Amino acid sequence: QVQLVQSGAEVKKPGASVKVSCKASGYTFTSYDINWVRQATGQGLEWMGWMNPNSGNTGYAQKFQGRVTMTRNTSISTAYMELSSLRSEDTAVYYCARGIVGPWGQGTLVTVSS
Amino acid sequence: SYELTQPPSVSVSPGQTASITCSGDKLGDKYACWYQQKPGQSPVLVIYQDSKRPSGIPERFSGSNSGNTATLTISGTQAMDEADYYCQAWDSSSGVFGTGTKVTVL
Repeated sequence: QVQLVQSGAEVKKPGASVKVSCKASGYTFTSYDINWVRQATGQGLEWMGWMNPNSGNTGYAQKFQGRVTMTRNTSISTAYMELSSLRSEDTAVYYCARGIVGPWGQGTLVTVSS
Repeated sequence: SYELTQPPSVSVSPGQTASITCSGDKLGDKYACWYQQKPGQSPVLVIYQDSKRPSGIPERFSGSNSGNTATLTISGTQAMDEADYYCQAWDSSSGVFGTGTKVTVL
C-alpha cells in the first residue's frame, strides 16, 4: 500500500539545524509532489513548501525562505526537509504528504530546547 | 499573505447535518480541499477540487466553493466524524491552510 514513513523524533538546541526524512513506498516516488506541513502542539496546520521529486524543483512558504531546504534521493525514494537556525517556536510535529491526495507520513516531533 | 478563515467550532447532533465554512478573498476562483484530523493522527483528505471525494471517503462528505466561501457538509453526521477539519487552497503556488474547525458530535 502507499505509505510515507518519517524519521524519528529529534531534540535540538536553538540555532541548530534538523533534517527530517520521508521514505515513500507503494507508488512511483517521482510521480507526485511532496509537501511539508508542520503543526505546533494544539495549533493548526502550517504549510512549509513543496518539492517535485522528479525535477527537484521546490517552492517554499515566504515565512521559511532562507531557512528551509527540501531535497530528495530518488534511488531510495526518500524526501528530506532541513530547517536551520532553529528557535523554540519551531517546536512542532513535521509532516510530509504525497501531493494533495496523500497519504501523510506519521509525523516527526522536533523539539527545540536549550 | 492569503488567509483562510474558519469558525473555531461547530456542534452537531448525531444524524444531523454539519456545515463548515472556509472564507477567503475570491476563494471560488481557486480549488479548495478539506482535511480531517483526529486526535493523535495525521490529517486525511476528505474533499479535493472543491467537491470530489477520494476513494474510501463516505458519501456523507460533500463540498462546494463559490464566491469567497468554500463549504464542507457532513450529512447524517456520525460520532466517528468528530475531529478537526482544515480547508486548504493554493495561492500563487503557495499552500494555505484554514484556521481549523473542531466538530463536536453531541
